[in-house]
Amino acid sequence: DTEVTQTPKHLVMGMTNKKSLKCEQHMGHRAMYWYKQKAKKPPELMFVYSYEKLSINESVPSRFSPECPNSSLLNLHLHALQPEDSALYLCASSLVGTGLSGNTIYFGEGSWLTVV
Amino acid sequence: AQSVTQPDIHITVSEGASLELRCNYSYGATPYLFWYVQSPGQGLQLLLKYFSGDTLVQGIKGFEAEFKRSQSSFNLRKPSVHWSDAAEYFCAVSYAGNNRKLIWGLGTSLAVNP
Repeated sequence: DTEVTQTPKHLVMGMTNKKSLKCEQHMGHRAMYWYKQKAKKPPELMFVYSYEKLSINESVPSRFSPECPNSSLLNLHLHALQPEDSALYLCASSLVGTGLSGNTIYFGEGSWLTVV
Repeated sequence: AQSVTQPDIHITVSEGASLELRCNYSYGATPYLFWYVQSPGQGLQLLLKYFSGDTLVQGIKGFEAEFKRSQSSFNLRKPSVHWSDAAEYFCAVSYAGNNRKLIWGLGTSLAVNP
């Protein structure tokens, strides 16, 4: 079972709101990712957690705040977003390792975010 | 910089016709190669991957891809396209020692005529 579950599927928020996106996987993966995707574009990496520690931050603005409470959960806290932050936010996970098994990244269905 | 090129932005085929989507990556040792598909309004689904071994790999939904190191290519094929294959297809590559980061092509949008 290669399933990454994201909630909510759709979110509309004002520029002064605080909201969170949630992601869950039960595949035993210890690397988890947040990506942002605009229409008709490839996804852009935002953050990577390995063993619940932030290992990659692709210079993402501080209005996006990731959190990894445990090995199965990943959150993305949103505050004071701009309309240009409207996009599909994808969570993903993979095994951790430098060998072949650590290389396959599995994606969730995404959360559609609209900032008004 | 390492890169992935998908030369075809948009392809239209008739249902039942064969399909080949092209993907080229910039030279690098030990590439790990992937094809993902994204149906409208959906997330990314892994179609197939190549790490090593047999250069012809089989994936889900009847897709296959062939790795050609001499051409730095990893083209995706399907012998008979179904209307439900209409989607965006992304080729991606990662490398040993930096396998957390996928390098993506810009995608190929596939339309299927009835």
